Amino acid sequence: DIVMTQSPDSLAVSLGERATINCKSSQSVLYSSNNQNYLAWYQQKPGQSPKLLIYGASTRKSGVPDRFSGGGSGTDFTLTISSLQAEDVAVYHCQQYQSFPYTFGQGTKLEIK
Amino acid sequence: EVQLVESGGGLVQPGRSLRLSCAASGLTFGDYTMGWFRQAPGKGLEWVGFIRSKSYGGTTEYAASVRGRFDISRDDSKSIAYLQMNSLKSDDTAVYYCARVTPYSDYWGQGTLVTVSS
Repeated sequence: DIVMTQSPDSLAVSLGERATINCKSSQSVLYSSNNQNYLAWYQQKPGQSPKLLIYGASTRKSGVPDRFSGGGSGTDFTLTISSLQAEDVAVYHCQQYQSFPYTFGQGTKLEIK
Repeated sequence: EVQLVESGGGLVQPGRSLRLSCAASGLTFGDYTMGWFRQAPGKGLEWVGFIRSKSYGGTTEYAASVRGRFDISRDDSKSIAYLQMNSLKSDDTAVYYCARVTPYSDYWGQGTLVTVSS
């Protein structure tokens, strides 16, 4: 199984500042036939279901604010929020969908400092 | 607008069975792979499994932790996906979510809580 490890486990950032969350996979999640990284990021606000933010490591889902960006390739990925807003308080999860079983990171809790 | 609504959760004794439903609207249900995920209290997300569309054979994939106990099916005429859970254990206690799988999960339901306890 591909193990996904996020860092840090929790993060406190001031409003308007940048927040960066890391996700590392134990094996590459690059799908060779189309050269795409099969890595997604989800946001889960308290008491809510997860919402897709980014897929293919860097493609924002339609409607997701452009302050959210994803980067990385192979085994190392980042989710960056360029200017933290109050509504971004949530747990963020990375997920690989390159091979079965699909696996998630443990989640990163983002709070306001 | 795509909407997914899970139902069927509740309190069940260890060893018993439960069937969850996921009713979909706002999409051509039969065209999509539908997945199930779960989240134990205070824990992270876990993929349970999915069922492909009939175009891809309607085949299923499962996590090792549920394989042989859980069964995913679909009724395209009703736009519903099912998760049949048998031989339930306390470790199966979680909120269960259904989601559209493309192969990332771009739409999720609100979840239904399953509690396995005597």
